[in-house]
Amino acid sequence: AQTVTQSQPEMSVQEAETVTLSCTYDTSESNYYLFWYKQPPSRQMILVIRQEAYKQQNATENRFSVNFQKAAKSFSLKISDSQLGDTAMYFCAFMIPFHPNFGNEKLTFGTGTRLTIIP
Amino acid sequence: NAGVTQTPKFRILKIGQSMTLQCTQDMNHNYMYWYRQDPGMGLKLIYYSVGAGITDKGEVPNGYNVSRSTTEDFPLRLELAAPSQTSVYFCASNRLNTGELFFGEGSRLTVL
Repeated sequence: AQTVTQSQPEMSVQEAETVTLSCTYDTSESNYYLFWYKQPPSRQMILVIRQEAYKQQNATENRFSVNFQKAAKSFSLKISDSQLGDTAMYFCAFMIPFHPNFGNEKLTFGTGTRLTIIP
Repeated sequence: NAGVTQTPKFRILKIGQSMTLQCTQDMNHNYMYWYRQDPGMGLKLIYYSVGAGITDKGEVPNGYNVSRSTTEDFPLRLELAAPSQTSVYFCASNRLNTGELFFGEGSRLTVL
């Protein structure tokens, strides 16, 4: 079974600073997806960034980037120039694409990191 | 586009009552999911469906039932509600092999 671990339950940072959220995972598979989801206080979960395991290049979406270390099974999220709107719960998630042996796609979530951006 | 729509947003149940959480998506997605989120925890998968007429259990299916009669709808039924089912419930959907889930806004259920 796949597991996802987020070791930082809460973090806070001053507005405009850079913050890094940690995530580690465990799997014996070589082909998988990793995600960071954001859940603002309004509660709707939205995708922040996605990384395919076969891609060596780290994914980037504007101020959000990841540091994907496949051998170490680490997938951290860096938020640059943090903004008040970045205040949210952040969930790391892992998924194996459809595979005849594993069946259908299902996401495994970490327990989340509550990030607060301080004005 | 409406995306994934869940109703109701809030509900209080008494122990032993039953109810159905509704979920509809208008993106023609194959896969649909029901998750529950307990305080301080990640999301736990209750049930999922890979298409109309096909459903399967997730990690925590006990006390719940689902059906998938159409591509759009995936209701979650709670039978004989218990305090342990107090949680926030999320419905989600995606197309096969895209990896990205689209979530509803959630339904906060309290069982007293």
